[in-house]
Amino acid sequence: AQSVSQHNHHVILSEAASLELGCNYSYGGTVNLFWYVQYPGQHLQLLLKYFSGDPLVKGIKGFEAEFIKSKFSFNLRKPSVQWSDTAEYFCAVNPNNAGNMLTFGGGTRLMVKP
Amino acid sequence: DAGVIQSPRHEVTEMGQEVTLRCKPISGHNSLFWYRQTMMRGLELLIYFNNNVPIDDSGMPEDRFSAKMPNASFSTLKIQPSEPRDSAVYFCASSYGGPSGNTIYFGEGSWLTVV
Repeated sequence: AQSVSQHNHHVILSEAASLELGCNYSYGGTVNLFWYVQYPGQHLQLLLKYFSGDPLVKGIKGFEAEFIKSKFSFNLRKPSVQWSDTAEYFCAVNPNNAGNMLTFGGGTRLMVKP
Repeated sequence: DAGVIQSPRHEVTEMGQEVTLRCKPISGHNSLFWYRQTMMRGLELLIYFNNNVPIDDSGMPEDRFSAKMPNASFSTLKIQPSEPRDSAVYFCASSYGGPSGNTIYFGEGSWLTVV
């Protein structure tokens, strides 16, 4: 079965610092990749997604992610974080033969200090 | 457009009681998912429906859990009898069905506490 690993469980940054959250998956076939964000007390919202084409994907709020097929990775980045980015971030994988079923990573809690 | 609508938003119940969580997916979506979120286990897929038919229920923890989707606009997740370890946030999500890769939209969750 496929799995998704987010190695950073907790990240603390100061405002304006750069962010990179790691995501690795284990699945040999073609996949679709997602990053979701969950602000405190709220539901999950889509940040960005990769289906095909340019492996560098730009999402909302200045986030981007790069799909590196050879490394089975889909890391999330933001050049300069804001206090309002404090949230939990989830990477998710959808194998191409699995309908729209997502397997989520364990999440990374980001705290941005003002 | 209304998003995925879940009820109740919060429920506190006593151990042994039956709990029913409800979900109305986004109109036009034909895939529906129930996820459970806990601190210990993160986000777990419980069950996945496509066109009202359960496709994958391998994530349903045990026989105390059951889910139904009687029509395209309504689904329930039932726990009977409930136990304290069932305390979690239960998210319903929906998407437009297709081969793969469509965005899944989440509801605001049902926060369940079993005491």
